[in-house]
Amino acid sequence: AQKITQTQPGMFVQEKEAVTLDCTYDTSDPSYGLFWYKQPSSGEMIFLIYQGSYDQQNATEGRYSLNFQKARKSANLVISASQLGDSAMYFCAMRGPTGANSKLTFGKGITLSVRP
Amino acid sequence: GAVVSQHPSRVICKSGTSVKIECRSLDFQATTMFWYRQFPKQSLMLMATSNEGSKATYEQGVEKDKFLINHASLTLSTLTVTSAHPEDSSFYICSARSGLAGRYNEQFFGPGTRLTVL
Repeated sequence: AQKITQTQPGMFVQEKEAVTLDCTYDTSDPSYGLFWYKQPSSGEMIFLIYQGSYDQQNATEGRYSLNFQKARKSANLVISASQLGDSAMYFCAMRGPTGANSKLTFGKGITLSVRP
Repeated sequence: GAVVSQHPSRVICKSGTSVKIECRSLDFQATTMFWYRQFPKQSLMLMATSNEGSKATYEQGVEKDKFLINHASLTLSTLTVTSAHPEDSSFYICSARSGLAGRYNEQFFGPGTRLTVL
């Protein structure tokens, strides 16, 4: 069974500073994908970044980077140069097992508040 | 990125009525669509997975006769909440995945539908 754990209850960061959102996972499948999504108050889920289990390098997308430590089963999201618009709920998710009907399993989410 | 639309965005209905929510992939063909439910301040819970032209696969604990899912085409899936009750009030989100090679990892979400049952 897959499991995603996000334990930080809420995070605060000063505008323009970097912040790390933690995510650990557990799976017995050797092939899996890790995702981060942002959900602002409007409710839409915005895809941020993807990391495949066999990817050798950490994924980066603009101000977002994923600190992938496979041995520790962690996939932390780093947001650099925080902006006020980054205030939202952030979900870590894992997809597996492999196959056409593989499903996304979400963590419980982390609320990020960016202070001016 | 690809666009997934949902309609309606918000619906209020009386207890006992049925409500249909549409999910459309606007610029790609979605071989697989997913329906999620989200309560306030909580995570997304997968309700069911549907593939075009076949019956949906429901997660454990989700009543298939209560939540009817139809994936009639590669761009449209519908969720019908039958005989809705106040406990069905929630935020329902659909998601669509492209079946194209090279885009397998991409899964896009609709903007969600907020259902309130009085």
